[in-house]
Amino acid sequence: SQTIHQWPATLVQPVGSPLSLECTVEGTSNPNLYWYRQAAGRGLQLLFYSIGIDQISSEVPQNLSASRPQDRQFILSSKKLLLSDSGFYLCAWSRGGPSDTQYFGPGTRLTVL
Amino acid sequence: SQQGEEDPQALSIQEGENATMNCSYKTSINNLQWYRQNSGRGLVHLILIRSNEREKHSGRLRVTLDTSKKSSSLLITASRAADTASYFCATASIQGAQKLVFGQGTRLTINP
Repeated sequence: SQTIHQWPATLVQPVGSPLSLECTVEGTSNPNLYWYRQAAGRGLQLLFYSIGIDQISSEVPQNLSASRPQDRQFILSSKKLLLSDSGFYLCAWSRGGPSDTQYFGPGTRLTVL
Repeated sequence: SQQGEEDPQALSIQEGENATMNCSYKTSINNLQWYRQNSGRGLVHLILIRSNEREKHSGRLRVTLDTSKKSSSLLITASRAADTASYFCATASIQGAQKLVFGQGTRLTINP
């Protein structure tokens, strides 16, 4: 069966510090991968999606970036965090395209102070 | 935008009652999906209904889709305390990149 992992589960970082969130998928190959951000009590905002290694689309201009060094690994990064980067970050994967069913990881709660 | 909008934003009912949540969207869709999120957790996929389907069932869940009104409803029958969660609809546009666009969610509370 397929599983998706995210770490860390929680993170508290000072403004201006770097960020690296990791997501890995097991049990499938060539998944489509997604990073979402969710503000408190709100819906999900798509940040990045990837249909393959080195094929990453950015949805929202921001100081975040994403990379996919391996087929089943998706990393969300920032060189300098802003207060507004606080939120709940969710990684997801799908077998088919972006309109297919998506399977979510447990999320990372990021607090920027 | 094509964003789905759930209604109501919050719903509180007694255990055993039925819960109905609605979702409206703006443009033509490929499919509409419902997800559930327990507090502080990731989302769990519940049901996908395609644009050429009108109704779909899964256990105690019933989803309807009315493409002429651009709306969908999620019915949970015989609710349980464990159904307490936020429920999101997500739409996949028939055009463009067909990304899933999530609504703001309905917060459902089942009182024992």
